Amino acid sequence: RKEVEQDPGPFNVPEGATVAFNCTYSNSASQSFFWYRQDCRKEPKLLMSVYSSGNEDGRFTAQLNRASQYISLLIRDSKLSDSATYLCVVKGGGRGGADGLTFGKGTHLIIQP
Amino acid sequence: GAGVSQSPSNKVTEKGKDVELRCDPISGHTALYWYRQRLGQGLEFLIYFQGNSAPDKSGLPSDRFSAERTGESVSTLTIQRTQQEDSAVYLCASSPGRANEQFFGPGTRLTVL
Repeated sequence: RKEVEQDPGPFNVPEGATVAFNCTYSNSASQSFFWYRQDCRKEPKLLMSVYSSGNEDGRFTAQLNRASQYISLLIRDSKLSDSATYLCVVKGGGRGGADGLTFGKGTHLIIQP
Repeated sequence: GAGVSQSPSNKVTEKGKDVELRCDPISGHTALYWYRQRLGQGLEFLIYFQGNSAPDKSGLPSDRFSAERTGESVSTLTIQRTQQEDSAVYLCASSPGRANEQFFGPGTRLTVL
């Protein structure tokens, strides 16, 4: 089983729609969880952290289910500028020490006008 | 302030040659990471430096790969006797130790002919 698994997509979604991505992770010792965004031919950038209680940042909602080792990201009222690859990221329990991040391969989102 | 910088931005080399990639982390960041991203793939952890501790080299794919970091400053990733499968974007990230976010540089796109 891969350490962090995501559906690669692409997800083709009309502008204004709501879209959700899921991610599963294999290492129960993982400590922290994030969604990063990577635009085409650019470096990844932190989108938001994921907390057990669930958290929102504007149109974005992230949730974590530790029992199922499952992370989700919901985007409401999607914009053309949301088109990107969304990387599920897990910290700890893997390589790179306590701060080490393990990246999923990403889910490619295309917002269509 | 200045972000993470990497040089060169692009490098084309012939099979068998050695290459050296450079990363300048954000000033004061004690943690530094190297990742590799092949075309259409996720980020692959290579090596991690944290302060003066011994680096975590568990992600280096072969003994042709090595990296150094002087204190908490510049890091260089060296690939000896490059092979075509080494073609990828090499990303460097830094972090202020145990903080959650890693800040990525723009990457070096390496092409081995």
